[in-house]
Amino acid sequence: AQSVSQHNHHVILSEAASLELGCNYSYGGTVNLFWYVQYPGQHLQLLLKYFSGDPLVKGIKGFEAEFIKSKFSFNLRKPSVQWSDTAEYFCAVNGRSSNTGKLIFGQGTTLQVKP
Amino acid sequence: DAGITQSPRYKITETGRQVTLMCHQTWSHSYMFWYRQDLGHGLRLIYYSAAADITDKGEVPDGYVVSRSKTENFPLTLESATRSQTSVYFCAIEAGGGTDTQYFGPGTRLTVL
Repeated sequence: AQSVSQHNHHVILSEAASLELGCNYSYGGTVNLFWYVQYPGQHLQLLLKYFSGDPLVKGIKGFEAEFIKSKFSFNLRKPSVQWSDTAEYFCAVNGRSSNTGKLIFGQGTTLQVKP
Repeated sequence: DAGITQSPRYKITETGRQVTLMCHQTWSHSYMFWYRQDLGHGLRLIYYSAAADITDKGEVPDGYVVSRSKTENFPLTLESATRSQTSVYFCAIEAGGGTDTQYFGPGTRLTVL
C-alpha cells in the first residue's frame, strides 16, 4: 500500500538548534516528493519539492531536503531554526507516472521552537 | 494562495443536515482536490477532479458528494452530516498534468453537533 511515514510527531527545539524531520515513503514507481508547512491558523504552503535531478533540494526560508532513493527517504533539514518556524510540517508524495494528482500525506510533525 | 477561496470559513451545523462547502479558483487550472485534516491523520483526500464534469473518489469519500459543472468551482456536499465529519476541509488546485505542486485554499472549519 502507498503510504508516507513521518517519524517525529512532536519536536521541541530551542532557537538556533538544528532541525531534521524524517520522512519515509512506500510507493511503487517513480515519485515526486513534497514538504509543506502549515503555520498556526493558516493553510498549507509549499516549502520545497523534488521531481528529479540533484537529490539535495533547497526551499524557502533556509530549508532543504535530501532524497535518498535507496532508503525511500526525504528528510527535511534546517541548520538553525527560528521561533517563526513553529508550525506543522507535512511530507507528501505522488506518483510521477500517475495523472490523478493524488497526494499522499504523512501524519505531520508539529515543531515548537522555544525563544 | 489568493487565487483559491473557500466559503464559508467556519460552519457549525447539526447532525443530519446537508452542508455544502464551496471552493473557487480565479484561474482555470484543471485539477482540483478536497482534503480533510484531522489530528493524527494528516490530510486525507476525499474527492478530486481532473476537469469539469470529471470527478473521482479519493481515500475517504463516504458521506460526501462533489460536482464540477464549471472549471473554477468545486463544491463539496455533506448530504447528511455526522459528528465524524467534524474536521478542517482544504481545497487544492494543481496547475500541471496531475503530478505537479498543489496549492491550498485557506480551509473551512466544520463542526457537526
